[in-house]
Amino acid sequence: SQTIHQWPATLVQPVGSPLSLECTVEGTSNPNLYWYRQAAGRGLQLLFYSIGIGQISSEVPQNLSASRPQDRQFILSSKKLLLSDSGFYLCAWSVSGTGIYEQYFGPGTRLTVT
Amino acid sequence: AQSVTQLDSQVPVFEEAPVELRCNYSSSVSVYLFWYVQYPNQGLQLLLKYLSGSTLVKGINGFEAEFNKSQTSFHLRKPSVHISDTAEYFCAVRNRGGYQKVTFGIGTKLQVIP
Repeated sequence: SQTIHQWPATLVQPVGSPLSLECTVEGTSNPNLYWYRQAAGRGLQLLFYSIGIGQISSEVPQNLSASRPQDRQFILSSKKLLLSDSGFYLCAWSVSGTGIYEQYFGPGTRLTVT
Repeated sequence: AQSVTQLDSQVPVFEEAPVELRCNYSSSVSVYLFWYVQYPNQGLQLLLKYLSGSTLVKGINGFEAEFNKSQTSFHLRKPSVHISDTAEYFCAVRNRGGYQKVTFGIGTKLQVIP
């Protein structure tokens, strides 16, 4: 069966510090991968998606970047965090090219920028 | 472009009472529709999905939803709620064909009152 991992679970970082959040998927190959941010009262905001290694699309211009160094690894980064980067970050995957259309979410990372 | 509107940000309901969480969508093409549930500090879990066929879709935990194309709605219902149903519920839409970008609503918090 497939599983998705995110770490760390919680993170408190000062303004101006760097960020690296990691997401890995097990039990599937060539998944589509997604990073979302969830802020209170604003639902889920799609930040990045990837359909393959090294292929990243950005949905919203911002202080963050994403990379996919391996097929089942997706990393969210920032060089200098802003207060507005606080939120709950969710990684998700979906199978491409089949009849399955839903996304499967990881447990999330709670980021607080102080 | 597609969009999703969840009309109620919070819905309080007494235990064992019925509940309906409303969702309307907008899209210029045919769509797939989803409902996800999120328990506190966790990722999202798929409740049910509409891909094609019968407009009444049954999901996990006793939930069901009905696709109404003329009213562009996909309301979620449960005839009798339990305390354990207290969570946030997200409606989501994805256009048929092409890349699997999913648009989520801002969520509805269901509060079941004992």
